[in-house]
Amino acid sequence: AQTVTQSQPEMSVQEAETVTLSCTYDTSESDYYLFWYKQPPSRQMILVIRQEAYKQQNATENRFSVNFQKAAKSFSLKISDSQLGDAAMYFCAYIQKYGNKLVFGAGTILRVKS
Amino acid sequence: ETGVTQTPRHLVMGMTNKKSLKCEQHLGHNAMYWYKQSAKKPLELMFVYNFKEQTENNSVPSRFSPECPNSSHLFLHLHTLQPEDSALYLCASSYRVDTQYFGPGTRLTVL
Repeated sequence: AQTVTQSQPEMSVQEAETVTLSCTYDTSESDYYLFWYKQPPSRQMILVIRQEAYKQQNATENRFSVNFQKAAKSFSLKISDSQLGDAAMYFCAYIQKYGNKLVFGAGTILRVKS
Repeated sequence: ETGVTQTPRHLVMGMTNKKSLKCEQHLGHNAMYWYKQSAKKPLELMFVYNFKEQTENNSVPSRFSPECPNSSHLFLHLHTLQPEDSALYLCASSYRVDTQYFGPGTRLTVL
């Protein structure tokens, strides 16, 4: 069974600085998708970034980028120029290609200090 | 409205009540999902519907009954719930089995 592990229950970052959230996963599949979702106190789960496993290039979305290491089964999220609005719970998630079960990690609470 | 909407946003019910949660997606997707999010637990997938057909039931108790009348609407009918069913219930949709987009959730409290 696939599993997703987020080893950092909580992280803090100073406004305008950079923070990296860790995620590792376990799968025997070669084709899959990885995601980072953000859940602010409003509770809405918002997609931050998506990575296709067969693509070597790391995905980026404005201030958000990933470091995808397929052999190591690692998928970390880097947030540059952190803003107060980035404070939220961040979830790493995995889905097998052609599968329908999105597997989530336990989440990392990110606090942003002004 | 755009995206995925859920109503009601908050629901308090007694154990003998019957209520329903509603989800609607305006994204042209054909797959819809129910998740349960409890405090200090990972999100749990409950049900999956593809083209209105249920393709996954993740060992959910029968007191939760899903209904998907068309690709845009998904319901979760609740009856004789237990206090441990109190949680945030999230609906999501996707085009086939790609990226899932979530609604704002319904916070359910069972007294």
